[in-house]
Amino acid sequence: DSGVTQTPKHLITATGQRVTLRCSPRSGDLSVYWYQQSLDQGLQFLIQYYNGEERAKGNILERFSAQQFPDLHSELNLSSLELGDSALYFCASSASGGPTETQYFGPGTRLLVL
Amino acid sequence: GQNIDQPTEMTATEGAIVQINCTYQTSGFNGLFWYQQHAGEAPTFLSYNVLDGLEEKGRFSSFLSRSKGYSYLLLKELQMKDSASYLCAVRAPSGSARQLTFGSGTQLTVLP
Repeated sequence: DSGVTQTPKHLITATGQRVTLRCSPRSGDLSVYWYQQSLDQGLQFLIQYYNGEERAKGNILERFSAQQFPDLHSELNLSSLELGDSALYFCASSASGGPTETQYFGPGTRLLVL
Repeated sequence: GQNIDQPTEMTATEGAIVQINCTYQTSGFNGLFWYQQHAGEAPTFLSYNVLDGLEEKGRFSSFLSRSKGYSYLLLKELQMKDSASYLCAVRAPSGSARQLTFGSGTQLTVLP
């Protein structure tokens, strides 16, 4: 158990819909990262937040957005869903203070778009 | 940009030693990580290298050569539970960003 929690574990929805994935980082971690893992793309970095502010953007579609709240939990919003958005979505957190900056991953949310 | 290459699949026998290679070409480098991921589960941290050389952690060791853009993960005394995907990841250059770029992973199968 990494200490990172994600809800829900599974999500099934239809094309065109909107969903929200939630992540709580490890206690004391200020930085949150979102990754998407699909069968053909591997683990892809989407976006990073540090202490409520966006720090880096990766391969995140315009239909996707995220935020980090004052209590440091984060939400990833996926809208106008397409079949190709079906994937595992992982959240990771790190302390953003030490030299090793290891990221610890949550259990993931498995999204299926039908 | 970042380009990370690792073999897609490897097979080894229980009790043996296996070496999983990773080569990278990146626009910046601030550390290389190895993660283990069982199917459908979260990646779990195995090792971190930022300087050249070998880091040993029990049955797992990781090596880095920055001049060659090369790393390997060495697994000794293989156990059935080591069957998993092993992900090599490079961290972005120093600064505020800390995102990782992952290779596609090496699926290791340990046979009895």
